[in-house]
Amino acid sequence: GAGVSQTPSNKVTEKGKYVELRCDPISGHTALYWYRQSLGQGPEFLIYFQGTGAADDSGLPNDRFFAVRPEGSVSTLKIQRTERGDSAVYLCASSPELATEQFFGPGTRLTVL
Amino acid sequence: QQQVKQSPQSLIVQKGGISIINCAYENTAFDYFPWYQQFPGKGPALLIAIRPDVSEKKEGRFTISFNKSAKQFSLHIMDSQPGDSATYFCAASPQGLFQGAQKLVFGQGTRLTINP
Repeated sequence: GAGVSQTPSNKVTEKGKYVELRCDPISGHTALYWYRQSLGQGPEFLIYFQGTGAADDSGLPNDRFFAVRPEGSVSTLKIQRTERGDSAVYLCASSPELATEQFFGPGTRLTVL
Repeated sequence: QQQVKQSPQSLIVQKGGISIINCAYENTAFDYFPWYQQFPGKGPALLIAIRPDVSEKKEGRFTISFNKSAKQFSLHIMDSQPGDSATYFCAASPQGLFQGAQKLVFGQGTRLTINP
């Protein structure tokens, strides 16, 4: 069956630009997570959705980062006024309701020049 | 604040040997401890997970040992194979018995190389 998909796989942008990263979770999964993974580090939590609402956005580093999940399925992570320090792999994961395992996508590698 | 510390950063083991990776945590609210395996260019994939009500869990060649009083847990890979060469992450999450998954706090990762 289809796993979590993320698009684009790679995104190169210039400092100050706006970017959108998309996540398609596994069909039927109610929980969706965004993590950021810097080179040589473990994933770092950003935000978690249960259905359409953000259940925990405590990991978003500042107000340049925003995520939506309007219909409880696809999610978009939006980064305004990108900075070089935003360069990382952005991972999305999904989980069935009341389940423990999080299934990760392949990630989007964001490079800010 | 780093809440999960993982060691070693890198590990080289001969084929057939035992690979051991250790993690320690600080937050006593953590009650779900998974290990993830990640290959280059791929997302992390769950290997095995444990809750603190047991001290050990084994699945095939992979075993988690858990020491609640010391707030430490470890991954043992028996009969290590070249295909096990990957980066391994421990993680922890606060999670009630009847709740779904919550945010994971990851360790820094261990790059494991199995020499043939």
